[in-house]
Amino acid sequence: GAGVSQSPSNKVTEKGKDVELRCDPISGHTALYWYRQRLGQGLEFLIYFQGNSAPDKSGLPSDRFSAERTGESVSTLTIQRTQQEDSAVYLCASSQIVGNEQFFGPGTRLTVL
Amino acid sequence: AQSVAQPEDQVNVAEGNPLTVKCTYSVSGNPYLFWYVQYPNRGLQFLLKYITGDNLVKGSYGFEAEFNKSQTSFHLKKPSALVSDSALYFCAVRDLFTGGGNKLTFGTGTQLKVEL
Repeated sequence: GAGVSQSPSNKVTEKGKDVELRCDPISGHTALYWYRQRLGQGLEFLIYFQGNSAPDKSGLPSDRFSAERTGESVSTLTIQRTQQEDSAVYLCASSQIVGNEQFFGPGTRLTVL
Repeated sequence: AQSVAQPEDQVNVAEGNPLTVKCTYSVSGNPYLFWYVQYPNRGLQFLLKYITGDNLVKGSYGFEAEFNKSQTSFHLKKPSALVSDSALYFCAVRDLFTGGGNKLTFGTGTQLKVEL
C-alpha cells in the first residue's frame, strides 16, 4: 500500500512569511508524528497525535509552531512568521498502536531566506 | 525521562567485514528499542525493533541487533558489510513505564561508511 506522503517536498520562503506543511499518513494508522531534522543533526520531536486524544505538543519550539489533524487522516504543520533558524527538513511519521514502529514520509525541506 | 546515546558520530568499515553501530539507552521501565536507517535525501526507514523475547533481533537487509539489559545497550550489527549499507543510522527508544504513547526518543545518529 501507499506509504506516508508529504507535500511540498521543498519549500523556500522569506523570513516573516507563514508556511504550511502537509502530511498524509498510512491509511488506518491512528498515530501521527512531526519531527524536525536540522542539517547534520538528529531528529527533534515536535508534536504527536493519537486518535481523538489531545495532542502531545511538548516538542513545539515556540508558539509560532502549530499543527492540526483531521480525524485519523491528514495533518498540517504551520509555522508562522518564519525565521532562518526554522530551516530544516520536517519529517512526518505514522504508526499503528500495536506495531509501534513509525513509518516516515520523505520529508519537506524548508529553507527560510 | 528516556534517552538514547550513540557514542560514535561515524563508523568506517571495509566491505566484507563485520560492522557494529553502538547504542545505549536509559528508561525508567522496560524499553521498546528501534533502529532506523536514512539514505541521502530520503526519509527514515525502519530496520528492526526489540519489544520482548529473544535478545537477538533480526531485521531488514541482513542487519541484526542484540538487546543487553545489564549493559542497557542495543548495538546494531551485520556480519558482512556492503558499500550500499553506507547511510545514517538512528537508534530510538520508547519507555513503556511512562506510558508516553508512541513517543520515541532518537539518538543523534551514526554515519556508517563502507569502503571497498
